[in-house]
Amino acid sequence: EPEVTQTPSHQVTQMGQEVILRCVPISNHLYFYWYRQILGQKVEFLVSFYNNEISEKSEIFDDQFSVERPDGSNFTLKIRSTKLEDSAMYFCASSAQRGNNEQFFGPGTRLTVL
Amino acid sequence: RKEVEQDPGPFNVPEGATVAFNCTYSNSASQSFFWYRQDCRKEPKLLMSVYSSGNEDGRFTAQLNRASQYISLLIRDSKLSDSATYLCAVTPGNTGKLIFGQGTTLQVKP
Repeated sequence: EPEVTQTPSHQVTQMGQEVILRCVPISNHLYFYWYRQILGQKVEFLVSFYNNEISEKSEIFDDQFSVERPDGSNFTLKIRSTKLEDSAMYFCASSAQRGNNEQFFGPGTRLTVL
Repeated sequence: RKEVEQDPGPFNVPEGATVAFNCTYSNSASQSFFWYRQDCRKEPKLLMSVYSSGNEDGRFTAQLNRASQYISLLIRDSKLSDSATYLCAVTPGNTGKLIFGQGTTLQVKP
């Protein structure tokens, strides 16, 4: 069964450093998403991406964040200068369509900012 | 009012019990509704979409009440393996993003 994959599973970084989280969405999916979940809190939407551009982004997704689809398979989330409050699980998701979309999530990257 | 609200529980039930969760949403223009299951420190896994007519998948039944703006999930004949957090998710209007509730924790005991 096709699945979303993410690397690394755990990333530890120093405050102020740049991190890149990687995702490989399901191969025939066209819509890609990033979500985050701070420990003990709910899953929060960050950004959606379609046709090589951002479709929608949340207030969390400020200038420190960017997304890219550098090739036909990878989808990345970059945080330029990490802050302590960026520590969270970051989930990538993909769906075949936008309307009535069933989104499938990757296993997540646990980001720890020290 | 929160966009999507769930009773966090925990719901502690014996094996074999029937348990129901509700989830309310504030945006009347919401279009799509889902239940996800999340195990501790794992990703949300899609359990089922929720359709206007209601739908069933084995021991799981989901229903949507647009007038009262809530969705429900019923689990029959609970198994130990059903122990998890159940997340309600909604897409507000004509948008692809999912808005999640806080989740309801279910603990099934032998």
